[in-house]
Amino acid sequence: AQTIHQWPVAEIKAVGSPLSLGCTIKGKSSPNLYWYWQATGGTLQQLFYSITVGQVESVVQLNLSASRPKDDQFILSTEKLLLSHSGFYLCAWSPWGGVTQYFGPGTRLLVL
Amino acid sequence: QQKVQQSPESLTVSEGAMASLNCTFSDGTSNNFRWYRQHSAKGLEVLVSIFSDGEKEEGRFTAHLNRANLHVSLHIREPQPSDSAVYLCAVSMTGYQNFYFGKGTSLTVIP
Repeated sequence: AQTIHQWPVAEIKAVGSPLSLGCTIKGKSSPNLYWYWQATGGTLQQLFYSITVGQVESVVQLNLSASRPKDDQFILSTEKLLLSHSGFYLCAWSPWGGVTQYFGPGTRLLVL
Repeated sequence: QQKVQQSPESLTVSEGAMASLNCTFSDGTSNNFRWYRQHSAKGLEVLVSIFSDGEKEEGRFTAHLNRANLHVSLHIREPQPSDSAVYLCAVSMTGYQNFYFGKGTSLTVIP
């Protein structure tokens, strides 16, 4: 069974519309959680990380926000999408204090 | 801000020959280094993490770190066609929470 699930798989949205991407980790207690973004042909960038429920640290400012409402859930959102938000969004988890990471399948976003 | 540069941009090797990838970083206080593989079918995975100068081996993958030279490399022993992928170097100054990535090296392994 897949440990990390991301939704939706892909999305096409209009500029100025809201966005919510989700990530759920199954069967892991108190994981560290991460959001990454990669523009088409671009460099992978870390956006946010969270080490516990309710606590999120921002790494790169892209007019996006993240929240961790539950131990196993990580949400990426914005109220107004920009064309520059297009790309591939990856969620990842690592064990507390762990040296490795495990990535979800990703969400491909196209903003028109 | 940390700058991470990888070379070469692309590399083609024959099956069984050693593949060597390079990565330079700008911040000498960096303390955590990772090599990732981004495979079109399998997604993104961590291959090896290294924290101190020297080498770290994980199966056929060996990372070499020289912080004085701001350089970390990845060597793939006996590469196979299934190793064809984009390899990403990532560097952190803050332990394991925040990494900066290079643009990647696209590796093609020819049978």
